[in-house]
This record gives sequence, C-alpha cells and structure tokens, in this order.
Amino acid sequence: NAGVTQTPKFRVLKTGQSMTLLCAQDMNHEYMYWYRQDPGMGLRLIHYSVGEGTTAKGEVPDGYNVSRLKKQNFLLGLESAAPSQTSVYFCASSATGRGLTGPQHFGDGTRLSIL
Amino acid sequence: DQQVKQNSPSLSVQEGRISILNCDYTNSMFDYFLWYKKYPAEGPTFLISISSIKDKNEDGRFTVFLNKSAKHLSLHIVPSQPGDSAVYFCAASGGAGGTSYGKLTFGQGTILTVHP
Repeated sequence: NAGVTQTPKFRVLKTGQSMTLLCAQDMNHEYMYWYRQDPGMGLRLIHYSVGEGTTAKGEVPDGYNVSRLKKQNFLLGLESAAPSQTSVYFCASSATGRGLTGPQHFGDGTRLSIL
Repeated sequence: DQQVKQNSPSLSVQEGRISILNCDYTNSMFDYFLWYKKYPAEGPTFLISISSIKDKNEDGRFTVFLNKSAKHLSLHIVPSQPGDSAVYFCAASGGAGGTSYGKLTFGQGTILTVHP
C-alpha cells in the first residue's frame, strides 16, 4: 500500500518560475490537505479539500493555488515562486465518517528551494 | 498567534526511563488532539489521539493525558527506546462533529533523543 505519494521529492526553482506539486492517495480518503513546514514553526495549513471538485483556504494560502479534479489527487501550484516559499511541503489525507474525521496520513514531503 | 505551543525544543532521556512531552493550547474550541512522530526525510506518522471527552488514552508504551482546565496535554512514553528518537508534534482540531473538516493546528515540535 503506497498511502500518500508526493512528487517530486526535491526541486530548485528560480524566483518567478512556476511549478506544480502532485499528491496522490490510494486510500479512497475524502479529505486532503497541503501543509508547509518551516524551521521552528511546525506545520501550517495552506489549502485543503473536502471532496472532489472542492477546495478551501487554510492558514497561509497566499501565493498558492490548488485543484482536486480527481478524488485521489490534490495539486498544489506556485504561479510565481518567491524565496519566502522555500520550505518543505507535506500533503495529507484523512477519512471521514459519522461526522468525525480520522487522523491524517502524510506523504514524505517535497523539499522546495527558491533561489 | 501560536494556538498550539510546545515550549521544549528538545528532550534527552536514558533508554528505559520515561519521556514526557508537553503541549499547551489556547483555543477552547479545540476538542480533538493528536500526537505525531517524525523521522528525518519522512512525513509525520500518527501516534495517538484523545478526544476532549476523555482525560487519558493509552496505546502500548504511549499514553496521552489531557487537562482541559489547564489547556494542556502531555505524551508519556514508558519505557523509552532508542528507536523513539524523533521529532514529536502535537496537533489540535476543533469541531469534531465535522465542522472543522479535520483541519489541524500543529505545535512547533520537540526533538526527543533516547540514549542507549
């Protein structure tokens, strides 16, 4: 079972370039999330999705866009990369049932450097 | 405004002894709390959780305690093992009836080192 898979694992961009981070999960989870982790700040929620075709803003959404065209995939886009977006990005998914949300399962992260 | 805080950046314990990791929160709407463990170059892995209707939850060597009046939770690991060395994050979620959509607010993490 792959669980949550993130691609790519590493990427270096120049300021102003664009890119898309891909997250795929094979657990048939309804909810998916994108976080960023910076030193000393824990993980912060960027965007999330509660189902195919739906997305919502999290705590730090500026400079990012997302799409959830298929239930198993959640894409995070950077239209014009900035050095402040240098971070480790984690995708997660969770199941939901009877009004409760299960624990989130995380991918292994994408380390992104913006020069 | 940090709603979930782990005030100890690191903790060092001897193998076989107890490890106690602490976490404080400020948002009274939080009603579901989790602990995650993270090894370098890997994603966080779910360890244990507790609902606000309980004050203790055990799973093997891991026990989480919740003190709602103090807005404080702690993770006890007994006995500690060298393989437990990792970064531990506490996280909180509000509205477990579905309104929070499982969104988590994380603490900064505590690096646990267990010496043989």
